[in-house]
Amino acid sequence: ILNVEQSPQSLHVQEGDSTNFTCSFPSSNFYALHWYRWETAKSPEALFVMTLNGDEKKKGRISATLNTKEGYSYLYIKGSQPEDSATYLCAFYNQGGKLIFGQGTELSVKP
Amino acid sequence: DAMVIQNPRYQVTQFGKPVTLSCSQTLNHNVMYWYQQKSSQAPKLLFHYYDKDFNNEADTPDNFQSRRPNTSFCFLDIRSPGLGDAAMYLCATSRDFDDEQYFGPGTRLTVT
Repeated sequence: ILNVEQSPQSLHVQEGDSTNFTCSFPSSNFYALHWYRWETAKSPEALFVMTLNGDEKKKGRISATLNTKEGYSYLYIKGSQPEDSATYLCAFYNQGGKLIFGQGTELSVKP
Repeated sequence: DAMVIQNPRYQVTQFGKPVTLSCSQTLNHNVMYWYQQKSSQAPKLLFHYYDKDFNNEADTPDNFQSRRPNTSFCFLDIRSPGLGDAAMYLCATSRDFDDEQYFGPGTRLTVT
């Protein structure tokens, strides 16, 4: 059984705070790690696809790191804004060819 | 412009009454996926198509079927919905298996 765990399950921060959350995945048979953002009433949207150990990716105020040997990825948001409020999903892609999602971290940013 | 479209956005059906959810894409992607997401849980893959090749996940109930008549369209048929099938159903596409997936907005299914 392949489990992808995300923590925390939910997070409430003030506008301007920086925040981060974690995705844990099996370290064996790793192929790729995806991050998606899912805003209410919209489609989940891909943020990053990460494949290499030590990878760091950045998009605006959002960045992610990857450690495939220990099986975790961090997502960081610098200076959170209300429009960052969403559920952030990570998904582990193994060499068996299947994307397995975590349950998501629900972020709420208060003005 | 919407690239992955799901209709309807909200569907109410009666216990045991067959229902079909639809998904279309304008991306010409090879792979189309159907996921089920229940409240506060991870999206769970039901099945996928690579072109016309169908792959059913081992734990997908027999009650769930899918059709892909052409590249653009994919349907999810629930033959006899039970109360436990109430969920958000997400359709996604990708160019190939290891590429990022493009999602539709989902169809929220209610079973009464």
